[in-house]
Amino acid sequence: ETGVTQTPRHLVMGMTNKKSLKCEQHLGHNAMYWYKQSAKKPLELMFVYSLEERVENNSVPSRFSPECPNSSHLFLHLHTLQPEDSALYLCASSQVVTALYEQYFGPGTRLTVT
Amino acid sequence: EDKVVQSPLSLVVHEGDTVTLNCSYEVTNFRSLLWYKQEKKAPTFLFMLTSSGIEKKSGRLSSILDKKELFSILNITATQTGDSAIYLCAVEKNTGNQFYFGTGTSLTVIP
Repeated sequence: ETGVTQTPRHLVMGMTNKKSLKCEQHLGHNAMYWYKQSAKKPLELMFVYSLEERVENNSVPSRFSPECPNSSHLFLHLHTLQPEDSALYLCASSQVVTALYEQYFGPGTRLTVT
Repeated sequence: EDKVVQSPLSLVVHEGDTVTLNCSYEVTNFRSLLWYKQEKKAPTFLFMLTSSGIEKKSGRLSSILDKKELFSILNITATQTGDSAIYLCAVEKNTGNQFYFGTGTSLTVIP
């Protein structure tokens, strides 16, 4: 499989559940990103990892917990979410933390919090 | 406050029509403006613009930037149903890993 893959593609969870989103990149990149895309809102950068180290955390609530065990995998652990957290969560990767146009996006996980 | 505003929010046209999508911005330390196409999945990169007045073109799509008036347009000529998507505009700053996306324009092309 090539490019950036994300699983699951769709997820419905209750506010008390704990779930994880997974992102995998097959491009040999060293930087990975999590974005949130809510309905009628701009795409927002959540987290940036470079060589498995978090380099940016844009004021994201602690109910979102990222994990980058190696440069090919990125997780977003979710717990006690709110309905307003329902959104499309996109993962991206790039060779290094670099310009936006060099990032490759995954297909996203559509999350619905009930 | 830095921001990017796209208009219109949504647009419905018939095949063969020409459309113009707008992106205006108020961003300090401007580095580049980017256009993406998003069809229910990963945004795909279309253009990156850094200089005013230089048109970027790819097939039926073209884009131009005006750094004086702080806007960009994306033109699509002879639209096809496959052009139906959300078109995103983003502006990147030259200070660190900072960029701002607009809310997108949802384009629907009907046969």
